[in-house]
Amino acid sequence: GDSVTQMEGPVTLSEEAFLTINCTYTATGYPSLFWYVQYPGEGLQLLLKATKADDKGSNKGFEATYRKETTSFHLEKGSVQVSDSAVYFCALKVAGRRALTFGSGTRLQVQP
Amino acid sequence: DTEVTQTPKHLVMGMTNKKSLKCEQHMGHRAMYWYKQKAKKPPELMFVYSYEKLSINESVPSRFSPECPNSSLLNLHLHALQPEDSALYLCASSQAPGGEGNQPQHFGDGTRLSIL
Repeated sequence: GDSVTQMEGPVTLSEEAFLTINCTYTATGYPSLFWYVQYPGEGLQLLLKATKADDKGSNKGFEATYRKETTSFHLEKGSVQVSDSAVYFCALKVAGRRALTFGSGTRLQVQP
Repeated sequence: DTEVTQTPKHLVMGMTNKKSLKCEQHMGHRAMYWYKQKAKKPPELMFVYSYEKLSINESVPSRFSPECPNSSLLNLHLHALQPEDSALYLCASSQAPGGEGNQPQHFGDGTRLSIL
């Protein structure tokens, strides 16, 4: 079956530090990959996506590159802010299936 | 601002009550979803509607009853819930009802449900 593995959190960083949240996947088909962010007390917001190998998704300073050879989709940001504190979910969807497969989520805490 | 609107934002109910959660989207999406999310966990899929027809029921207890009155609205009727049903209930929608394509799901802010 399909699965997504994310690094354990929480990840605690100082403001302006570099962020990497690792995400690897297994899929029986050719998936599209997504990062969602959940701020405290809110629902999930789509942060970025990539639909084929070597695609780079980017939004709000966050980036992730679809690496088929390593089955990875790591999330990066060059300089985090306190307002980036949230839970980040990596997810995949295989064409022909209606459901998203989520990773367990990684909590990011950014300190001033 | 989310394009999927859920009401109410918070709901407290007793185990004998009947209540409904509501979800609305005006993006022209033809697939809508209900998820349940417990604290510190990812969302778990409950139901999927495609073109207003139920296409997936992930073995959800019958005390949860979904309804899709039209392409923009999705309801979740609740009856005789248990304390372990306390969670955040998220609605989502997407363009591709058949599961094809690479369209993402768009989520609402959820209803936080507490069962006394």
